Amino acid sequence: LAKTTQPISMDSYEGQEVNITCSHNNIATNDYITWYQQFPSQGPRFIIQGYKTKVTNEVASLFIPADRKSSTLSLPRVSLSDTAVYYCLVGARNSGNTPLVFGKGTRLSVIA
Amino acid sequence: SQTIHQWPATLVQPVGSPLSLECTVEGTSNPNLYWYRQAAGRGLQLLFYSVGIGQISSEVPQNLSASRPQDRQFILSSKKLLLSDSGFYLCASLTPGSYEQYFGPGTRLTVT
Repeated sequence: LAKTTQPISMDSYEGQEVNITCSHNNIATNDYITWYQQFPSQGPRFIIQGYKTKVTNEVASLFIPADRKSSTLSLPRVSLSDTAVYYCLVGARNSGNTPLVFGKGTRLSVIA
Repeated sequence: SQTIHQWPATLVQPVGSPLSLECTVEGTSNPNLYWYRQAAGRGLQLLFYSVGIGQISSEVPQNLSASRPQDRQFILSSKKLLLSDSGFYLCASLTPGSYEQYFGPGTRLTVT
């Protein structure tokens, strides 16, 4: 499984755009990049997934450069409710026999 | 989408007592099921995963065990709890071929 590295914590003011970068230097050809969000005392929830270039949904955007050795989760105009831990995971889409491994994630604190 | 049920939500148990946490899944068939543990302020540690009835893979050696008696039921057990078993236990489900892992609400276990 490709190992990921992301910042331990980040702070941001409300209304700002937040970019969280994840490094995955040994990503495999069939690996996808997936981001999850976890609020305190809740289970993580899926945010976005991508393979290359850019993916955008109603919550976030995911930027993946051509070499795929890193990815950036972009949260537009964050609010206090975006305060959470964000996990970057790398693995094959059908990872049933090789479970996804969650690292320590990035703790985002949004300040008013 | 899937719904993951876990109970109880909170549990306080003395050292040496047994444990049984149950997880049931709705909205999918033949899912891959997972048990994670999260210590306070830490990342998710994968404990067990199952790709089918009676099939259990253990990720870490410990005094915990898991069983899958039915397709959408996953049970985490212990014969004698240790103080170090305290934590937030999360059950998760993944439909093979899908990419989104669904998590339950979690059980917060305190061993005293």
